[in-house]
Formats: sequence, structure tokens, C-alpha cells
Amino acid sequence: SQQGEEDPQALSIQEGENATMNCSYKTSINNLQWYRQNSGRGLVHLILIRSNEREKHSGRLRVTLDTSKKSSSLLITASRAADTASYFCATDAPHTGRRALTFGSGTRLQVQP
Amino acid sequence: KAGVTQTPRYLIKTRGQQVTLSCSPISGHRSVSWYQQTPGQGLQFLFEYFSETQRNKGNFPGRFSGRQFSNSRSEMNVSTLELGDSALYLCASRGTAKDTQYFGPGTRLTVL
Repeated sequence: SQQGEEDPQALSIQEGENATMNCSYKTSINNLQWYRQNSGRGLVHLILIRSNEREKHSGRLRVTLDTSKKSSSLLITASRAADTASYFCATDAPHTGRRALTFGSGTRLQVQP
Repeated sequence: KAGVTQTPRYLIKTRGQQVTLSCSPISGHRSVSWYQQTPGQGLQFLFEYFSETQRNKGNFPGRFSGRQFSNSRSEMNVSTLELGDSALYLCASRGTAKDTQYFGPGTRLTVL
């Protein structure tokens, strides 16, 4: 079953704009990870944020985590056409064991050139 | 380092048959997990192996099974295939004491 939902389900923006995706989850977590998937291919790991962290940056990516609200957001700045993909959040929760990721439903991002 | 590899990439089977998928983790990684991705259910955890032992199992019927070899390579088997087993099967490997899971390109299984 899904841990939570991602919002929006789909997002279409112009190249150069910023894209923000949100993820909500239901239980306490050890960490939260964001992945990208291109057209039904494998998942590419983007960034991991631990439960005791509030914000993390990696290149054009900025992730925030609010454990009190059980939510996270992924910001992609200055988007490019190559960023077109589906983005998933995944939680690593104590009750599932440290090795079973629970995924959100994903956000489909379309970046128009 | 080479990434996670999965074979075959595409597979077509008919109902009632069985199938075996293979996954080779990143060199040095001893943990291998399997996930199923379908349009309806999304990404769901199947099971995880570490040092040839299944450590964790998702909520899937017994038709889904797996194993891991001494070189950490893993196989998953699905017996008596059903139409609903059509999915992208993803394998992920993880280093010891690390949290990040690295995924392979997946095997696309179609059951006719």
C-alpha cells in the first residue's frame, strides 16, 4: 500500500521555471528519499533527508522535511526539458524494517522547452 | 562502479507459466530488494535479501519468491502467472550500513 500521496499528480511548466512537488506520509520515518523515473525505466536516486534534518540541497534540488506535518517538498530550480520525468518520494519507516521503502504515488513533471 | 543490472529487460509470458528474473547488485552491496510497479498499485515492496537470507517480505502471495546467491546476485520467481502480474519489476541494492537504495533499469513483464 502507498505510504502517502504526492501533490500535484501532474505538473507542466516552462523551461527555466521552478517546480515544486509535495509528499505526505502517514507514519514516523527514519528518512525520506526522492527518486526520478523516466518513462517507465528504473528509478534514479536524487536525495535523501533524515528525520532529524529539515532541509537539504543538491545542485538544483532543494528538499524540505516537516516531521510534525509528515510532509516533504522537492524544489527543482531553473528547470530543463531533461527534468521531464516522474518524481517519487519514498519513506524508510521503522515499522517496515529499515530496508523496505514505501513509495508515494508520484508527480509527473513536464517541462516545456 | 557499474550500476545495478537486471535481466532480461523485457519478457512476455502466458497465464499459468512461471518466470525467473535476475538482478546483479552494485559490487560490494550485499542487500538486494525487489519492487513491483503497476499503474494501479504503484511501487510496492516485494522482499529483501541480505547475505543469502530473506530479511523482509511485502504483502504478496506465495507465488512470488526469491533467493540470493553467495555473490549477492538475486533472482525472483513468479509461478502460475496471472494477468495482474504484468508489471515493471525493479531490483535495488544497498551498501552495508547505508540507507540509499540504488535501482536497476527493471524488467518489464507482460502476461498474456
